[in-house]
Amino acid sequence: DGGITQSPKYLFRKEGQNVTLSCEQNLNHDAMYWYRQDPGQGLRLIYYSQIVNDFQKGDIAEGYSVSREKKESFPLTVTSAQKNPTAFYLCASSMDRGSHGYTFGSGTRLTVV
Amino acid sequence: SQQGEEDPQALSIQEGENATMNCSYKTSINNLQWYRQNSGRGLVHLILIRSNEREKHSGRLRVTLDTSKKSSSLLITASRAADTASYFCATGRGGDKIIFGKGTRLHILP
Repeated sequence: DGGITQSPKYLFRKEGQNVTLSCEQNLNHDAMYWYRQDPGQGLRLIYYSQIVNDFQKGDIAEGYSVSREKKESFPLTVTSAQKNPTAFYLCASSMDRGSHGYTFGSGTRLTVV
Repeated sequence: SQQGEEDPQALSIQEGENATMNCSYKTSINNLQWYRQNSGRGLVHLILIRSNEREKHSGRLRVTLDTSKKSSSLLITASRAADTASYFCATGRGGDKIIFGKGTRLHILP
């Protein structure tokens, strides 16, 4: 079945560490997105990529980095520069620049310990 | 940059009743989308309505769009316990990304 897989489901990070969240899709979608969701809040865009080897900053890119070396994969690194990284992270993909809606993964919950 | 804003923030209704949620936005759009999120899960795309459409149906869902008032509504008829979730509207301007509101938390009471 086609879909988006995010891993791990839960992730714990120590202060000062970088961690990488995985996002893989087999939908043959060109565009991929990373969102952050805080409790009781909507989704805020971190980074997005329309094609391989190209990506753009979203509204809250500081402290995060991404790569898009393959169409299927869009990993997100939460760096030590991100001061408040505890949140729920959602990856999504779309074809036609979202004009038919987005498909979301099941999310990764990151906690700083 | 928040574009859509859902109203109410939270809604509790009895099972079997209809639930209506509203979304207002500020700038012109190309399309408006509604998503559902169950607790701790990813979002599921429900329905997309384009700026030249006024109403759209999908099963028990009915979406309306009034571009003159910059608003949309989502109606869920004959609600069920499984409809308990948060519902988000998202607006697209035909470009690279869509922008989500903060959502309406819907609770269906048995």
